Amino acid sequence: SAVISQKPSRDICQRGTSLTIQCQVDSQVTMMFWYRQQPGQSLTLIATANQGSEATYESGFVIDKFPISRPNLTFSTLTVSNMSPEDSSIYLCSVDLAGGPGELFFGEGSRLTVL
Amino acid sequence: GENVEQHPSTLSVQEGDSAVIKCTYSDSASNYFPWYKQELGKRPQLIIDIRSNVGEKKDQRIAVTLNKTAKHFSLHITETQPEDSAVYFCAASGSGGYNKLIFGAGTRLAVHP
Repeated sequence: SAVISQKPSRDICQRGTSLTIQCQVDSQVTMMFWYRQQPGQSLTLIATANQGSEATYESGFVIDKFPISRPNLTFSTLTVSNMSPEDSSIYLCSVDLAGGPGELFFGEGSRLTVL
Repeated sequence: GENVEQHPSTLSVQEGDSAVIKCTYSDSASNYFPWYKQELGKRPQLIIDIRSNVGEKKDQRIAVTLNKTAKHFSLHITETQPEDSAVYFCAASGSGGYNKLIFGAGTRLAVHP
């Protein structure tokens, strides 16, 4: 298994600002995934972050809005830029220890509320 | 594009009854099908998974069946208990070379004592 720490766990943000979410894993992993879970909804993949390469974004998500860093094999950040109320959501970091496809371990999530 | 449909969206059963949740997927290249349970305010956690070379897998009260020809798979929970109450998500592996998972919309299961 994996221990995944996310910070912040929750935050209240003002419209137009940006927030960076950090994800720290207790072991080295190749693939890290960022998901969004809107209230009462499913998990939607934002992007895949591999160390040493640029993140791969899913349809509907762009780098300017959700820039991602992956400086090493245990850490990643997701920034939500120029936030609007529609960005209010839980953002989850996840890892696949097996190198995929396999079990995803999720962080506890970062709950963002945009006013 | 890749899509996973999940039914029903809500399911209410009496304790001790069985519960079945069904999913269909669109990508014929999908080869990994996990099920996650998410309790209120908690992170999703894997409860069972199946790969495309297997038709059925069982773990105590939980079983998953896979029909690759029809592109659907199902979760079966027997002898349900109140602690089974949660939201259940199915998922299917996607293409693209980096093994992502595409999740269904979720099923809210309520088990009544």
